Amino acid sequence: EVQLLESGGGLVQPGGSLRLSCAASGFTFNIYAMSWVRQAPGKGLEWVSTISGSGGATYYVDSVKGRFTISRDNSKNTLYLQMNSLRAEDTAVYYCAKDRLVVRDLGEFDYWGQGTLVTVSS
Amino acid sequence: DIQMTQSPSSLSASVGDRVTITCRASQSISSYLNWYQQKPGKAPNLLIYAASSLQGGVPSRFSGSGSGTDFTLTISSLQPEDFATYYCQQSYSTPLTFGGGTKVQIK
Repeated sequence: EVQLLESGGGLVQPGGSLRLSCAASGFTFNIYAMSWVRQAPGKGLEWVSTISGSGGATYYVDSVKGRFTISRDNSKNTLYLQMNSLRAEDTAVYYCAKDRLVVRDLGEFDYWGQGTLVTVSS
Repeated sequence: DIQMTQSPSSLSASVGDRVTITCRASQSISSYLNWYQQKPGKAPNLLIYAASSLQGGVPSRFSGSGSGTDFTLTISSLQPEDFATYYCQQSYSTPLTFGGGTKVQIK
């Protein structure tokens, strides 16, 4: 059974940093691209970032480029999102999600974690 | 960036109704269109990928159609567990983008 378990969310002041983690199990982690998708309170879904299975390719939405870094440790089956220079508009539930296909880095997401809430406020 | 526009933003329907949700892309995305269902407090769930392929475990009352810029999600006979918010998502190019969502409510 595929499981994705996020952690690391919390309350942080504007300009602060936070690192999210997503522990994966139940599938061959190192052959699938993984992504972060966020959802601001009461709002829709927003793709944030994707990393290829090997970790060699990364992709970001413009609003987080230069501030967020996606990474993975395939020996630990864990995905990360390092978030720096946080802003109020980054407040959201952050989901990690698994790409459905091995052959594409950027596709549809067939498994999602339960989400972790990041609140940026003074 | 490719903009995804869903309509309607909300609808009210009864159990047993046929429901259709529309998603329009700001440029052609071929068939790189996916649909998700999200219930309150839960993560999204993939229903349809590649415009018309049913994800495993999803009931056959859900179907998708379209290509290019115009797509539809149809629920042939609405069930109580289908009351939720539905999102389309394009996977044609980065940034990956979602529609604004369609909330399906009980009439």
